[in-house]
Amino acid sequence: NAGVTQTPKFRVLKTGQSMTLLCAQDMNHEYMYWYRQDPGMGLRLIHYSVGEGTTAKGEVPDGYNVSRLKKQNFLLGLESAAPSQTSVYFCASTGLAISDTQYFGPGTRLTVL
Amino acid sequence: GENVEQHPSTLSVQEGDSAVIKCTYSDSASNYFPWYKQELGKGPQLIIDIRSNVGEKKDQRIAVTLNKTAKHFSLHITETQPEDSAVYFCAASSGGSYIPTFGRGTSLIVHP
Repeated sequence: NAGVTQTPKFRVLKTGQSMTLLCAQDMNHEYMYWYRQDPGMGLRLIHYSVGEGTTAKGEVPDGYNVSRLKKQNFLLGLESAAPSQTSVYFCASTGLAISDTQYFGPGTRLTVL
Repeated sequence: GENVEQHPSTLSVQEGDSAVIKCTYSDSASNYFPWYKQELGKGPQLIIDIRSNVGEKKDQRIAVTLNKTAKHFSLHITETQPEDSAVYFCAASSGGSYIPTFGRGTSLIVHP
C-alpha cells in the first residue's frame, strides 16, 4: 500500500512550456485534490474531483487543467507555464467515510524560468 | 466561504516547554477540524482531529481544544522535543463537503 504518489518529484520548465503532473492513490478514495504551497500562503486548492470522470475548480484554478479518467489517478496540466506557477504542488485524497482525513503525496517542486 | 486564520506564523520554544497554536474559523457550519504536521520536504500528515460534538481530544503529548461559540480551536503540544520541529496547519470543513480550508501554517522550532 503506497498511499498517494506523485510524479515527478522535481521539474524545471521554461516559460510557455507545458507539462503534466501525475497523482496516483491505491486506497480506492473517491475524492482527490491538487494544492499548491507557496511561502506564507499555506495550502491553496487548485482543482478537485469527487469521483471518476468529475472535476471542479478550487480557489486558484487559472492556468491549470485536470482530468480524472481513472479513479486512482488525477492529472494536473499546465498548458503554458508561467513564472507565477513556480511552487510546490501536493496531491491528496480522501475516502467517503466518517473521517475527512486527507492523505497527501510527497509533493512536486516545479520551477518555471 | 470559510476563512481560517492561524497564529502565530512562527513559534520558537525550548525543548521541554509547551507550544500552543491557535486558529479561528468563520463558518458556523464547519464541524471537522484536523491538524496536520509537515516535515521539511514532505507532504502534510494528519496528527490529530476533532469534531464539533467534542470539546477536547488528547493523544499522548498533543491535544486539541474546540470552542464552537467563539469559533476557535487550538493545538497544544506538551514536553516539546526537537523532532516536533515542523510546520503545522489547521483546517476546517463542514460535514460532507470534504473540502477543507487551511490556515497559513505555523513554523514550530524546538531548540535543544
